[in-house]
Amino acid sequence: GENVEQHPSTLSVQEGDSAVIKCTYSDSASNYFPWYKQELGKRPQLIIDIRSNVGEKKDQRIAVTLNKTAKHFSLHITETQPEDSAVYFCAASFETSYDKVIFGPGTSLSVIP
Amino acid sequence: GAVVSQHPSRVICKSGTSVKIECRSLDFQATTMFWYRQFPKQSLMLMATSNEGSKATYEQGVEKDKFLINHASLTLSTLTVTSAHPEDSSFYICTYPTGDYGYTFGSGTRLTVV
Repeated sequence: GENVEQHPSTLSVQEGDSAVIKCTYSDSASNYFPWYKQELGKRPQLIIDIRSNVGEKKDQRIAVTLNKTAKHFSLHITETQPEDSAVYFCAASFETSYDKVIFGPGTSLSVIP
Repeated sequence: GAVVSQHPSRVICKSGTSVKIECRSLDFQATTMFWYRQFPKQSLMLMATSNEGSKATYEQGVEKDKFLINHASLTLSTLTVTSAHPEDSSFYICTYPTGDYGYTFGSGTRLTVV
């Protein structure tokens, strides 16, 4: 089955700097890659997603890139703010739109004011 | 947008008892529901896939006799933790696909077994 790896496990950045989180997946059939932000004790919140037919997507300070050949995808957060501090999970899903989502192990991001 | 209501949000139970967690889709008919478990400072691990009107599909290593899943209608899926033990203490969360690659998550249930 699908396996998603994520690095780094923890990340500290100064406010205003950029943060990059990288993920790899194992199953070439995966074609949907969402990123979630989770605050302690709460449900994951989708922050951005990308499908396999595009290589990059941007939404204000957040961008995601995808390299299907290498099976890598990355999250980029620019101009980080203290409220960006949370745990971030990358994930991968299979071809059908009703299939399970496999999560990476997570990255705990701390933005230092 | 799609909404799923999950109850209870928190539950404390004694070791050996059973606990039922409900996920109800309020505005969407969910033929499929996914149940995840999340231990502290860990990722969300898929436990099982719940299919309306049929038996759930469990991931490797998840005991189907311990984690009973029922998906009797298109709007309700339940997870029952039977004979709970302290090691079952975790955050349980449901999600269902809403089509077009979207997923809606329940608010989660914090289970503490004492």
